[in-house]
Amino acid sequence: KAGVTQTPRYLIKTRGQQVTLSCSPISGHRSVSWYQQTPGQGLQFLFEYFSETQRNKGNFPGRFSGRQFSNSRSEMNVSTLELGDSALYLCASSSGTGGPGQYFGPGTRLTVT
Amino acid sequence: QQQVKQSPQSLIVQKGGISIINCAYENTAFDYFPWYQQFPGKGPALLIAIRPDVSEKKEGRFTISFNKSAKQFSLHIMDSQPGDSATYFCAASISNFGNEKLTFGTGTRLTIIP
Repeated sequence: KAGVTQTPRYLIKTRGQQVTLSCSPISGHRSVSWYQQTPGQGLQFLFEYFSETQRNKGNFPGRFSGRQFSNSRSEMNVSTLELGDSALYLCASSSGTGGPGQYFGPGTRLTVT
Repeated sequence: QQQVKQSPQSLIVQKGGISIINCAYENTAFDYFPWYQQFPGKGPALLIAIRPDVSEKKEGRFTISFNKSAKQFSLHIMDSQPGDSATYFCAASISNFGNEKLTFGTGTRLTIIP
């Protein structure tokens, strides 16, 4: 099976702009979770989507949003970018029904200047 | 509030030695404890996981030890090899249907020296 894919792998944006990141889960997986990884805060949960519905949400401002499509692919959007949004954004897929675990993609490295 | 505490922050082990990384959690509702391995420029890879109904789980050179009463769990890497040099993260979650949120430790940078 192909693994989790994320596009783009690298992105440079300017403060105030918005960005959309994409994640394709492992075939058959219906849950997609998003995490932010920074040197200072580590790995932090953003939100999780299952069957096109947001099922869980972390403690991030409303500028961070997401959606999931009927084929389980997910997108994450960050509006009004701030310098502190520079991070590695990871998505993870799982069955969503109590299966063996979450599998991460390679991440999208976002740099905000 | 940091719910999963991981130590040490960095670890240097000689080739062939045993690497030990420790984690402690606060939320007694956690019932699924995975370990992830991350190489530079890559996403975390699921290494091994345990549930609290067992005290130990072994997969090849990797062993998780779990102490429910102390709310602690640890990763042991036997016969450590240079290829094991990576950052390791422990994590915890409440595995009821409908909750995929992982709470991660702060990570341990492991370096295996020849």
